[in-house]
Amino acid sequence: RKEVEQDPGPFNVPEGATVAFNCTYSNSASQSFFWYRQDCRKEPKLLMSVYSSGNEDGRFTAQLNRASQYISLLIRDSKLSDSATYLCVVTLRAPIGSGNTGKLIFGQGTTLQVKP
Amino acid sequence: DGGITQSPKYLFRKEGQNVTLSCEQNLNHDAMYWYRQDPGQGLRLIYYSQIVNDFQKGDIAEGYSVSREKKESFPLTVTSAQKNPTAFYLCASSLTGGYYEQYFGPGTRLTVT
Repeated sequence: RKEVEQDPGPFNVPEGATVAFNCTYSNSASQSFFWYRQDCRKEPKLLMSVYSSGNEDGRFTAQLNRASQYISLLIRDSKLSDSATYLCVVTLRAPIGSGNTGKLIFGQGTTLQVKP
Repeated sequence: DGGITQSPKYLFRKEGQNVTLSCEQNLNHDAMYWYRQDPGQGLRLIYYSQIVNDFQKGDIAEGYSVSREKKESFPLTVTSAQKNPTAFYLCASSLTGGYYEQYFGPGTRLTVT
């Protein structure tokens, strides 16, 4: 089982639609969670962190369910410019005594295409 | 203007040649990372460094080498031992290692023929 799993899509939606992406993670010790956005042939860019209480940034809402080990991203009123791949990212705690801190694990991404 | 720079944007090499990719950051971040991304795949960690003069192997370190002589710089050498070097290489940095968000440079597309 992959450490972080996302539905690759693509999700094809009309402008103005609401779309939701889910992401599941396998390690219950995961500590931090993020959503990144990656445009075609560009670098990933941090979209938002995900907090236990859920958080919102404009049209974007992120939620975390630790019990079920999944993270979601909701995009309301989709714009053409939202077309991109959305990466779910989870941090894992390093083994005790390893001398290392944790690392980020990236999902493969979910592709969103917003149509006029 | 704070950020991470990578050069060159595109790089072409013949098989059997070593090539070094540059990564510089002026964010005063302690930790730096190298990832590889192949078409349709997620990011895979090659090497990371949490402080100057120290670095650790990631998940796919074979065929790669790094150095961290300065806080700002973390160059990656793709050696001839790397079996499939053609890929999109991304450098990132974070305030410290571990749980903090990472910020990425624009990447280098390496093609080896």
